[in-house]
Amino acid sequence: DIQMTQSPSSLSASVGDRVIITCRASQGISKYLAWYQQRPGKVPKLLIYAASTLQSGVPSRFSGSGSGTDFTLTISSLQPEDVATYYCQKYNSAPITFGQGTRLEIK
Amino acid sequence: EVQLLESGGGLVQPGGSLRLSCAASGFTFTNYAMSWVRQAPGKGLEWVSGISGSDGTTYYADSVKGRFTISRDNSNNTLYLQVDSLRAEDTAIYYCAKERSTGIAAAINYWGQGTLVTVSS
Repeated sequence: DIQMTQSPSSLSASVGDRVIITCRASQGISKYLAWYQQRPGKVPKLLIYAASTLQSGVPSRFSGSGSGTDFTLTISSLQPEDVATYYCQKYNSAPITFGQGTRLEIK
Repeated sequence: EVQLLESGGGLVQPGGSLRLSCAASGFTFTNYAMSWVRQAPGKGLEWVSGISGSDGTTYYADSVKGRFTISRDNSNNTLYLQVDSLRAEDTAIYYCAKERSTGIAAAINYWGQGTLVTVSS
C-alpha cells in the first residue's frame, strides 16, 4: 500500500507568516491528493482536492501544488483561526490513506 | 444542506459487536460513494472502509478486513458499518463520510459528527 508522509509533524508560526506543509507519497499518485483541516475538537474539513483545486468556501490564502509523489499545502498569510491539524490524503485507489498530520500553532 | 447523522456507538467488551448507522440527507445518496473514517483518541485519521454509490463495491483497510462489513440501503439513504470481533485498538470516533464521486476512492467533502466506539472490559 502507498504510504503518505507529512512534514513537519508540528510547527509554530506567527500571524501573517507564510506556512508550507509537505506531503510525500511512497509511489506516484498523479494529482489524487486532498488536504484537510481539523480544528481542535472539530470535524475534518476539506480544503483542497486534486492537489490544487480549492474547495468552495475555503479562503484563498490556502493553496496546494504538486503531482506524482511530492505535494505542498501553503497558507500565504497565517491567521489565528488556522490553528489546526492538517492532513493530506491520497485517493488514486483504495485503500485511501491519510498522512500522519501536521499540527500548526501560533507563536 | 448535506447532513450525515451517525448512531450506534457505545461501550463494548473485547470480542463484541456493534452496528453503526449513518442517516444521510440533502443529496442524492445513490450518486455518491461513502466511507467510514475513524480517529482514535488523540491520534490521526484512519480510513476504515468505503462503498461505491453505483454498484456497491466495497473496500476495507487491512486492519479491519474480515471483521468489519460496510453496506448501504439506498432506499432509506442509510450507510452501515457492522463491526465484529472488536479489539481495544478499535476504540475511536467513527465518522461517516461522503465522497465527491460515485466511484470509490475520492476526496471527502462532507463528514458527520462521529459516533464513539469504546472497546473495554
